[in-house]
Amino acid sequence: EDQVTQSPEALRLQEGESSSLNCSYTVSGLRGLFWYRQDPGKGPEFLFTLYSAGEEKEKERLKATLTKKESFLHITAPKPEDSATYLCAVYGDSSYKLIFGSGTRLLVRP
Amino acid sequence: SQTIHQWPATLVQPVGSPLSLECTVEGTSNPNLYWYRQAAGRGLQLLFYSVGIGQISSEVPQNLSASRPQDRQFILSSKKLLLSDSGFYLCAWSVGQGSNQPQHFGDGTRLSIL
Repeated sequence: EDQVTQSPEALRLQEGESSSLNCSYTVSGLRGLFWYRQDPGKGPEFLFTLYSAGEEKEKERLKATLTKKESFLHITAPKPEDSATYLCAVYGDSSYKLIFGSGTRLLVRP
Repeated sequence: SQTIHQWPATLVQPVGSPLSLECTVEGTSNPNLYWYRQAAGRGLQLLFYSVGIGQISSEVPQNLSASRPQDRQFILSSKKLLLSDSGFYLCAWSVGQGSNQPQHFGDGTRLSIL
C-alpha cells in the first residue's frame, strides 16, 4: 500500500535559521512527488513536482530534493511569511490517487 | 491562466439539512476534477473524482454524492447532513490522462454541522 510520512509534525525556527522538512514514501513505481504549501483556512498551493531520484527544484528560499525513498524540502534563511503547513504527496503505479502526508506545520519567528 | 472557484467559503448547516457545494474551473478544457475532505491535523481524504462530464468515481461510501453537469463544474451534495460531515472541503483540478500531473486546489469550504 502506498504511504507517505512527513516529519517533523511541527517545526519552530527563528528567522534566518535554515532547516529541512522530510517526506518519506513507500510506493510501487513513483510517478511523481509533489510539495504543497497550505496557509490556515486556504487550499494547498502547488510548489514543486519531482519525478526521479536526484532531481532538484528551487523557488526563492525553498529547495526540494528527491531520493528513491524520501524527499526533503530545504528552507534557507526563512522569513516569518514562510510560516505555513507544507504537504507532500505522491502518485504511484499501483494507485490512481494522490496520496498525501499529514504535513509539517512550520512557524518562523521574527 | 487557470483559476478555480469554490463557494461558499464557510457554511453552517443544521443536522438533517441538504448540502450543495459548487466548484468551477476556468481557463482549461476537460479537466480532471476532485473533491477532498481535510480533517484538522490530517492529510487530505479523496471523496470523489471525475475525468469527464457525468463520470464520477466514489472513493468513500458515505452520506455524500457528487455530480458534474458541465465540463468545468463539479458539485458536492448531500440529502441529509450528519454531524460527522463537518470539515474542510476542497475541490481540485488537474489535466492530462496520466496521473503524474499536479492537482491545483481551490480555497475550500469550511462546513460546520450543528
